[in-house]
Amino acid sequence: DQQVKQNSPSLSVQEGRISILNCDYTNSMFDYFLWYKKYPAEGPTFLISISSIKDKNEDGRFTVFLNKSAKHLSLHIVPSQPGDSAVYFCAAVHGSSNTGKLIFGQGTTLQVKP
Amino acid sequence: ETGVTQSPTHLIKTRGQQVTLRCSSQSGHNTVSWYQQALGQGPQFIFQYYREEENGRGNFPPRFSGLQFPNYSSELNVNALELDDSALYLCASSQWTGNTEAFFGQGTRLTVV
Repeated sequence: DQQVKQNSPSLSVQEGRISILNCDYTNSMFDYFLWYKKYPAEGPTFLISISSIKDKNEDGRFTVFLNKSAKHLSLHIVPSQPGDSAVYFCAAVHGSSNTGKLIFGQGTTLQVKP
Repeated sequence: ETGVTQSPTHLIKTRGQQVTLRCSSQSGHNTVSWYQQALGQGPQFIFQYYREEENGRGNFPPRFSGLQFPNYSSELNVNALELDDSALYLCASSQWTGNTEAFFGQGTRLTVV
């Protein structure tokens, strides 16, 4: 069973516009969520995280929103830049102190066009 | 501060063989986790090591095994390789406590023929 789902395999946006990447989860025991970015031939790189006690976390151009009742989170990138083109993974963990046991979604490939 | 390094970067093995992949954790981290990423999928948790012992395992058979050494580096061993074991294997290091994110290595691309 897929506990973390990213239903959009790909997303294409124009440079300067907003990119919104979505993620749904099924396990209500998840209490910490993370977004990772992955370029080809590299490992995933941490972007931003959010605890289940919050509904928003912001870091520069990146903002993550969490809707616990809907079991949904989203990553907003504003403004989008061509260097943001990569695969984005949503991940969740049960037991926020141990972020090594991550459950990942399938990933969304973001293309930002100049 | 040194990052997470994995070796080798690429590997080709024959079905039925055994393989060992290696990972050096990031300085200051005491926990290592291994993931398998098949093409077009997200990484899947294999297992985690803390204090040289396995601490949690995903849905992988016993022919996937590991070790953690006193310097926190780790090995992933896979016996009796199958074609479906072809994937990118990722190592991630983290702190056991502290709500800090896991840092990933660049991965080892394993191809089983």
